[in-house]
Amino acid sequence: GAVVSQHPSRVICKSGTSVKIECRSLDFQATTMFWYRQFPKKSLMLMATSNEGSKATYEQGVEKDKFLINHASLTLSTLTVTSAHPEDSSFYICSAFRTGGNTGELFFGEGSRLTVL
Amino acid sequence: AQSVTQLGSHVSVSEGALVLLRCNYSSSVPPYLFWYVQYPNQGLQLLLKYTSAATLVKGINGFEAEFKKSETSFHLTKPSAHMSDAAEYFCAVYHSGTYKYIFGTGTRLKVLA
Repeated sequence: GAVVSQHPSRVICKSGTSVKIECRSLDFQATTMFWYRQFPKKSLMLMATSNEGSKATYEQGVEKDKFLINHASLTLSTLTVTSAHPEDSSFYICSAFRTGGNTGELFFGEGSRLTVL
Repeated sequence: AQSVTQLGSHVSVSEGALVLLRCNYSSSVPPYLFWYVQYPNQGLQLLLKYTSAATLVKGINGFEAEFKKSETSFHLTKPSAHMSDAAEYFCAVYHSGTYKYIFGTGTRLKVLA
């Protein structure tokens, strides 16, 4: 089956620094990827839709300057948390959309746990 | 607008007992519905999906779900729970216009020995 790889799986950083998380679709091309944020014991909150070759579409309330998304190729999207603060600590999950059939299929990465000290 | 509602944020069952996780949807068009499972500190794994073919959908790990239009429901069931089924389960509806998947709030399943 299709695999989406997310890296790093865990990252600890100091407040004020920037952190980049990568999301790769390993065996299919994904023109659309999604970034989610999951708070402890909560559902997934869609942050943004990442479109290859164009600007990401952010959900309401998500700061685009704080969470920079780049989808430079058909297999890679990156999320950069800029000037991270402790409140940015969370579990970030990416997903890649593979077209086909009625709905296509969404494949999820393993998630990245960010801890900002 | 499309949405899903999961009733019960926590469900506990004994090992070997029936698992029933509830999901109701709201959609103005025929919905495409999904169930995902999430184990601790991991991403989501697709259990099964309904895409307007058979109303009873069989998935992995012995799970199945039945699409009931009259009840706007897509409940997830498994005849006999295993300890390994303990996880978080998410129901989702697919929005074809945007490729977005709208997730429910999740149900944490606990399996008691």
